[in-house]
Amino acid sequence: QKEVEQDPGPLSVPEGAIVSLNCTYSNSAFQYFMWYRQYSRKGPELLMYTYSSGNKEDGRFTAQVDKSSKYISLFIRDSQPSDSATYLCAMSARAPTGGGNKLTFGTGTQLKVEL
Amino acid sequence: GAVVSQHPSRVICKSGTSVKIECRSLDFQATTMFWYRQFPKQSLMLMATSNEGSKATYEQGVEKDKFLINHASLTLSTLTVTSAHPEDSSFYICSAIIAGELFFGEGSRLTVL
Repeated sequence: QKEVEQDPGPLSVPEGAIVSLNCTYSNSAFQYFMWYRQYSRKGPELLMYTYSSGNKEDGRFTAQVDKSSKYISLFIRDSQPSDSATYLCAMSARAPTGGGNKLTFGTGTQLKVEL
Repeated sequence: GAVVSQHPSRVICKSGTSVKIECRSLDFQATTMFWYRQFPKQSLMLMATSNEGSKATYEQGVEKDKFLINHASLTLSTLTVTSAHPEDSSFYICSAIIAGELFFGEGSRLTVL
């Protein structure tokens, strides 16, 4: 069993739709959770970073963490064609900016927002 | 603008040759850099952690003699794929901790013929 499971998609939605992206994990040591967006042939860029269970909102993006269920979600409201990319969840046991830590990534979900 | 830069963005080489990929933190010092490998439709897999002035720490299953990492300065880490084979073809991405944040490079796509 992988430590982090993520549906690879592809997920196709119409412009303006609400998108829900999810990851499950098995390692209860994970405490830090991140969502990255990766455009084709580019490096990942950080979208959201959460530590505690609950919701965190930033513009059209909401990250949700449920540690009891080992389940995290990213919601995108009013999706735009420019949101078309691969979204990767990542998690770590310690603060990801700690020199001795490492991130465990999901496989990424490919999202396409169509006009 | 980019905080972490990788070069080259794309490289094609013959089997058996060595390829060097550079990762630079632009205008900022990065004591720690990470090297990842990403195969198509798979997640990023950490290969090694590179600390300036010391030997890199490799993840289990990564051959340190094949993937040479040098972090000679606070702004540059290099990954050399030695005696490359077609199965080494992948997308290699570096990241750096700069001012308490983690930034990723644009990635380097290696194709070994």
